[in-house]
Amino acid sequence: NAGVTQTPKFQVLKTGQSMTLQCAQDMNHNSMYWYRQDPGMGLRLIYYSASEGTTDKGEVPNGYNVSRLNKREFSLRLESAAPSQTSVYFCASSRGRDSFPNEKLFFGSGTQLSVL
Amino acid sequence: GQQVMQIPQYQHVQEGEDFTTYCNSSTTLSNIQWYKQRPGGHPVFLIQLVKSGEVKKQKRLTFQFGEAKKNSSLHITATQTTDVGTYFCAGPGGTSYGKLTFGQGTILTVHP
Repeated sequence: NAGVTQTPKFQVLKTGQSMTLQCAQDMNHNSMYWYRQDPGMGLRLIYYSASEGTTDKGEVPNGYNVSRLNKREFSLRLESAAPSQTSVYFCASSRGRDSFPNEKLFFGSGTQLSVL
Repeated sequence: GQQVMQIPQYQHVQEGEDFTTYCNSSTTLSNIQWYKQRPGGHPVFLIQLVKSGEVKKQKRLTFQFGEAKKNSSLHITATQTTDVGTYFCAGPGGTSYGKLTFGQGTILTVHP
């Protein structure tokens, strides 16, 4: 099993360009997440999808959009990239069943994005 | 909203020394999780604590959940170079199921 697969691994953009980060999981998980990681700030939730067909904002959603394409795939789009969006982006997934405490997250290997 | 504070931000130890990182929440947590991220890697789940006062061990790692369920700690006995990385705690991020709020992380450096 590949687990959570993110593409691309590295990307350099110019201010104002757009791009989509792709994420797919093969664990039949219900919930998927996008986090960004900046030095000294831990992991901050951008958007999440509790189940197929639903998405919701996290702590830092401004400047991003998401699409839960199907149960496997959850993409993150930057419509007009800004230098403040330079970060490492992680996709994650979890089983997300309501009858349990928070399920553990499985993370992808990350995307290092630089916006010049 | 829910905040999870983690200290220290950095810790440098000599191999063989012990290490502890602390996590504090502004509100009572239903559970807390710990993750480890190796340099250049992605976070990997270590453990989840659910019960008040719970203590769990994984070899040289000891995890505690406070009696009031507002704080937690991770203690590593006799650190090894393989322990290098960033350790994060994470708690439920509000009422929405599945959301986690991560602490800022503690970066551990182990000098051989």
